Amino acid sequence: GAVVSQHPSWVICKSGTSVKIECRSLDFQATTMFWYRQFPKQSLMLMATSNEGSKATYEQGVEKDKFLINHASLTLSTLTVTSAHPEDSSFYICSAVRPSNYYNEQFFGPGTRLTVL
Amino acid sequence: AQSVTQLDSHVSVSEGTPVLLRCNYSSSYSPSLFWYVQHPNKGLQLLLKYTSAATLVKGINGFEAEFKKSETSFHLTKPSAHMSDAAEYFCVVSDQGGNQFYFGTGTSLTVIP
Repeated sequence: GAVVSQHPSWVICKSGTSVKIECRSLDFQATTMFWYRQFPKQSLMLMATSNEGSKATYEQGVEKDKFLINHASLTLSTLTVTSAHPEDSSFYICSAVRPSNYYNEQFFGPGTRLTVL
Repeated sequence: AQSVTQLDSHVSVSEGTPVLLRCNYSSSYSPSLFWYVQHPNKGLQLLLKYTSAATLVKGINGFEAEFKKSETSFHLTKPSAHMSDAAEYFCVVSDQGGNQFYFGTGTSLTVIP
């Protein structure tokens, strides 16, 4: 199957700093990538849809100035958590959509654990 | 609109016994359906997918699922549970264009030795 990577896998930062998380599709081009947030023992919550070359579409309740998304190329999307606070601590997962003639399949990255002190 | 309902938030089985994780979906169109597994502190791994081909879908690690349109169900089964199957399982439905994916709330599977 296709491979999606995330970097870093785990990051610890001080409150007030900004953290950038990268999501890369390694062997296919993805015009669409999704960013999810997952709290312990809960399902994934879609934060935003990232489309290459255009602004991201944010889900209701997600602050776009807080979670900056950039999809600069067909293989890379970044999520920047600005001025992080302890309540932003979570598991962030990206996915990349590989299009085909029949259906679009979603491939997930391994996730990034963010701990804000 | 598309949605999925995972009927059990937690399932517990003994090792070697069958596994049944239930999923019902709602879709305006002929859906694509997926099952993913997530082990603790890990990313999601695709178990299997249904995309309008054979209604009985075989996946990895001995799992399979049957698409039943009349019951709007896509239940995940495995004949014999293994300790390594203990994880969180998510049922997912995509929209017609495959541009949006809707997650169920997840089912936590515990396997008792």
